[in-house]
Amino acid sequence: AQTVTQSQPEMSVQEAETVTLSCTYDTSESDYYLFWYKQPPSRQMILVIRQEAYKQQNATENRFSVNFQKAAKSFSLKISDSQLGDAAMYFCAYRSFTGNQFYFGTGTSLTVIP
Amino acid sequence: DGGITQSPKYLFRKEGQNVTLSCEQNLNHDAMYWYRQDPGQGLRLIYYSQIVNDFQKGDIAEGYSVSREKKESFPLTVTSAQKNPTAFYLCASRTGYDSNQPQHFGDGTRLSIL
Repeated sequence: AQTVTQSQPEMSVQEAETVTLSCTYDTSESDYYLFWYKQPPSRQMILVIRQEAYKQQNATENRFSVNFQKAAKSFSLKISDSQLGDAAMYFCAYRSFTGNQFYFGTGTSLTVIP
Repeated sequence: DGGITQSPKYLFRKEGQNVTLSCEQNLNHDAMYWYRQDPGQGLRLIYYSQIVNDFQKGDIAEGYSVSREKKESFPLTVTSAQKNPTAFYLCASRTGYDSNQPQHFGDGTRLSIL
């Protein structure tokens, strides 16, 4: 099974500042998909951003962007202009190109300081 | 609106009792999943199903059972063999047609032992 590692259990950021959450993964496959999910206190899982491994361009969704380093097997999430509503648990997830299983990291709890 | 409905939101189990968690989706998705979430452990896959009448064990299937008699429904039974059932359970679904599509999640069920 693939392993997804989030080495930062907790992070904090000042409102309006930028924060980067780390994610690394272990795979022998060349084609796969990567995702970042947000889980606010309501416990609902919300897709933040996704990246296809065959695309060299980093994905961007408004204030959220990724730094995808395929050779290093790294997939970090950058949140710009942090807002109070960004406070949540963030999970990194991996899925192979042909598989149906998703593999999740253990999550990073983000606190936004007013 | 299309979505995934999990019920009940809170569930209590007595010792030696089987309980069933409901998951229904009206997104016309082929694949459905059950995850267990414990503090500090992220999401762990219990079972998943790619089509009706077919399902596969995930990483922690022991003590759980599922059925997939209809495309829309994927109930999870927590049996008395599961000795530590207290957790938050998430159901998810995904279309089978676009390989880069993410999972969509329900709002979860919290199961506790009486």
